[in-house]
Amino acid sequence: EVQLVESGGGLVQPGGSLRLSCAASGFTFNNYGMNWVRQAPGKGLEWVSGISVSGAITYYADSVKGRFTISRVNSKNTLYLQMNSLRVEDTAVYYCAKGGVVRGALDVWGKGTTVTVSS
Amino acid sequence: AIQMTQSPSSLSASVGDRVTITCRASQGIRNDLGWYQQRPGKAPKLLIYATSSLQSGVPSRFSGSGSGTDFTLTISSLQPEDFATYFCLQNYNYPFTFGPGTEVEIK
Repeated sequence: EVQLVESGGGLVQPGGSLRLSCAASGFTFNNYGMNWVRQAPGKGLEWVSGISVSGAITYYADSVKGRFTISRVNSKNTLYLQMNSLRVEDTAVYYCAKGGVVRGALDVWGKGTTVTVSS
Repeated sequence: AIQMTQSPSSLSASVGDRVTITCRASQGIRNDLGWYQQRPGKAPKLLIYATSSLQSGVPSRFSGSGSGTDFTLTISSLQPEDFATYFCLQNYNYPFTFGPGTEVEIK
């Protein structure tokens, strides 16, 4: 079964840091680009970041550029999102999503992990 | 970044109705657009990619069309499990951007 499981969410103070992980199984992880998407409480979806198959190329939304870093370890079938200088507005459910055969078709999603930034 | 708009923001419909949701991009995106369904408390689910390609396992009552800047998702006969929020996503260039969503409610 193709599966993505996020972890690492929690409560953090403004200015703090958190690292999210996404464990992949059931598919050849190093054949697909990966993405992070978030959803603030009661709001719509926001694409946050993407990474190429090898990890050499990364992309970010303007709202997180310079603060978040996406990475992957293909030998561990794991995707990461390092989040620094967190702001209240980063509070959201963070989803890991697999890129499909078509680059931007996010065809498998995890259940999400909740990040709350509050003092 | 490319801006995506959707209309309507919400709609009320009955089981069996034909439903159409529109998505518009602030610039041309060829056919690089997907549609996602999200039920309350659940992760989004890919329905349509590349404007009109049906994702495996998605019922054929869902269809997509369009090109350039204007795109449409159609549900030919609304079923009870289709009451959800629908989002479009442009994957023409980075950063990818979602539309604000269309909530489909039961009339």
